[in-house]
Amino acid sequence: SQQGEEDPQALSIQEGENATMNCSYKTSINNLQWYRQNSGRGLVHLILIRSNEREKHSGRLRVTLDTSKKSSSLLITASRAADTASYFCATVWGLTGGGNKLTFGTGTQLKVEL
Amino acid sequence: DVKVTQSSRYLVKRTGEKVFLECVQDMDHENMFWYRQDPGLGLRLIYFSYDVKMKEKGDIPEGYSVSREKKERFSLILESASTNQTSMYLCASSLNGYGISGANVLTFGAGSRLTVL
Repeated sequence: SQQGEEDPQALSIQEGENATMNCSYKTSINNLQWYRQNSGRGLVHLILIRSNEREKHSGRLRVTLDTSKKSSSLLITASRAADTASYFCATVWGLTGGGNKLTFGTGTQLKVEL
Repeated sequence: DVKVTQSSRYLVKRTGEKVFLECVQDMDHENMFWYRQDPGLGLRLIYFSYDVKMKEKGDIPEGYSVSREKKERFSLILESASTNQTSMYLCASSLNGYGISGANVLTFGAGSRLTVL
């Protein structure tokens, strides 16, 4: 399965600390995306990094991509209680017969405590 | 503000009932998707549609069907609900073609939590 594996499954930190989540995948990708999900709600797109990019920033978010290791990391700096959510990576990859497919990982549950 | 709206946030149905989950998007997106989300299993794709009246099976289509009569509306149908279909159902849409190299960024609805008794 191409489904991304995320590590750790759960992470608990104090407000102000940095949070790092990792995603590994199995085959070549076109791009990798990170989404956030608040409890009981839908997912919200955070950031996209293309296969020819190595690092991308958006506000307090920093995403890195290492295609040689087939892995990505999401760093949230100076975390806040409002960052408490589940975070999912999603890989977009090409199918043998043409076209693309998007597959989600199983997610990391982040809890930021005051 | 772009939106994907799912008609019901919570539903309780009985085994064997026919269930309709409705999803409407106002972004003129070509592609629409239905996922189910279960603890420990992440999001799994049930069906998707890249055009009106077009549908493609995802990874777990068994027990489900879909309908897309209008571009903005994508319905998920459980012909005969079973207890193993108790789950959170998420609808999403995207602008880029699913079969075209592109970003495929998804916009999700708030989800519909279905309980089948």
